[in-house]
Amino acid sequence: AQRVTQPEKLLSVFKGAPVELKCNYSYSGSPELFWYVQYSRQRLQLLLRHISRESIKGFTADLNKGETSFHLKKPFAQEEDSAMYYCALKGGGSYIPTFGRGTSLIVHP
Amino acid sequence: NAGVMQNPRHLVRRRGQEARLRCSPMKGHSHVYWYRQLPEEGLKFMVYLQKENIIDESGMPKERFSAEFPKEGPSILRIQQVVRGDSAAYFCASSTDSTGELFFGEGSRLTVL
Repeated sequence: AQRVTQPEKLLSVFKGAPVELKCNYSYSGSPELFWYVQYSRQRLQLLLRHISRESIKGFTADLNKGETSFHLKKPFAQEEDSAMYYCALKGGGSYIPTFGRGTSLIVHP
Repeated sequence: NAGVMQNPRHLVRRRGQEARLRCSPMKGHSHVYWYRQLPEEGLKFMVYLQKENIIDESGMPKERFSAEFPKEGPSILRIQQVVRGDSAAYFCASSTDSTGELFFGEGSRLTVL
């Protein structure tokens, strides 16, 4: 079974502070991991996926198979980063991404 | 490309009525997913369809809920005899294939009185 856990419902930081949104997963095989983001009044959209190994809007995420984690990080948060962030997992051979419950990030000026 | 279009955006129904939610995928997308978001919860998978076929409906309640994606026209999520517990936001997403990047609609918010 696939499971995604985002332990923090809300993360509140000040502008310029580092940010880490936690994501842990449960899956026995080789997963594909994603981060989706929903800004205020916008639709949910893909932020990044682990296989791309790229930095988007200053965010990076590394898949740690030993700790079964895929935390999203940014060294210096900006106010425009305030949004709802969802971690998602797709197991090999499965068509269905499983989403975590989401973490609301608020970046204060 | 207008993106994934869902309608209605807001729907109010009384208990026992039927709710029909429509989803037009992005142009060129033949894969459609429906998710439900209950208050204080994340996105819960309901059903995955390709044109004219239900591929996986493991997240759908066994009764009252059905989904279709006809050859022509939008995908429809149908909820019969709605109850208060059906009140939620229903999101549709589409993709070109099963590689995992989903493009989401803005959601349809169902309120059952």
